[in-house]
Amino acid sequence: AQKVTQAQTEISVVEKEDVTLDCVYETRDTTYYLFWYKQPPSGELVFLIRRNSFDEQNEISGRYSWNFQKSTSSFNFTITASQVVDSAVYFCALSEGGGSYIPTFGRGTSLIVHP
Amino acid sequence: NAGVTQTPKFRILKIGQSMTLQCTQDMNHNYMYWYRQDPGMGLKLIYYSVGAGITDKGEVPNGYNVSRSTTEDFPLRLELAAPSQTSVYFCASSYSRAETGELFFGEGSRLTVL
Repeated sequence: AQKVTQAQTEISVVEKEDVTLDCVYETRDTTYYLFWYKQPPSGELVFLIRRNSFDEQNEISGRYSWNFQKSTSSFNFTITASQVVDSAVYFCALSEGGGSYIPTFGRGTSLIVHP
Repeated sequence: NAGVTQTPKFRILKIGQSMTLQCTQDMNHNYMYWYRQDPGMGLKLIYYSVGAGITDKGEVPNGYNVSRSTTEDFPLRLELAAPSQTSVYFCASSYSRAETGELFFGEGSRLTVL
């Protein structure tokens, strides 16, 4: 069973729009970590954020914000006032404390920001 | 710091050929990983290592082999290349088990098998 679901394959927005990337996860562990990675057109994946299962506080970093809700098993990522440089593939990932901690990735959401 | 370095960046192989993708990191990380990325499929774990001399299979290990003789290096060997191994391969590393999700990735190696 897929443990990380990113249902949005591709999202297209115009610059300055807000956009939310959805991530739904599945785990039986009480200890786990959630992540978001960015893969720009250059190809290299870049770590954005890590969240542990005991901390449901939302986080904001500049134009980026993350909403973690255990009740819905979701860890959504919002970009406010999107810019062309935000165009990338974004991956959500899960690592489970009961196992090896090796992260499992979702299939990714391709975000295209048009000028 | 160079971080995680992969070579080659591009390679075309014929069916049945073999090759090794090289990966080295200079961050003294204990954990290293090989993932493959296929269009629309995310990243699939091939092999990983928790330290020199220790390796383990991931989700899609068939057709690949790895070794970890030093902390720095984690080469991925493809034996008898098949078209199904056409993919982009990423090597990654992390410092510890508790931080395994915070991966540092190489730039990727695009492999085509014809």
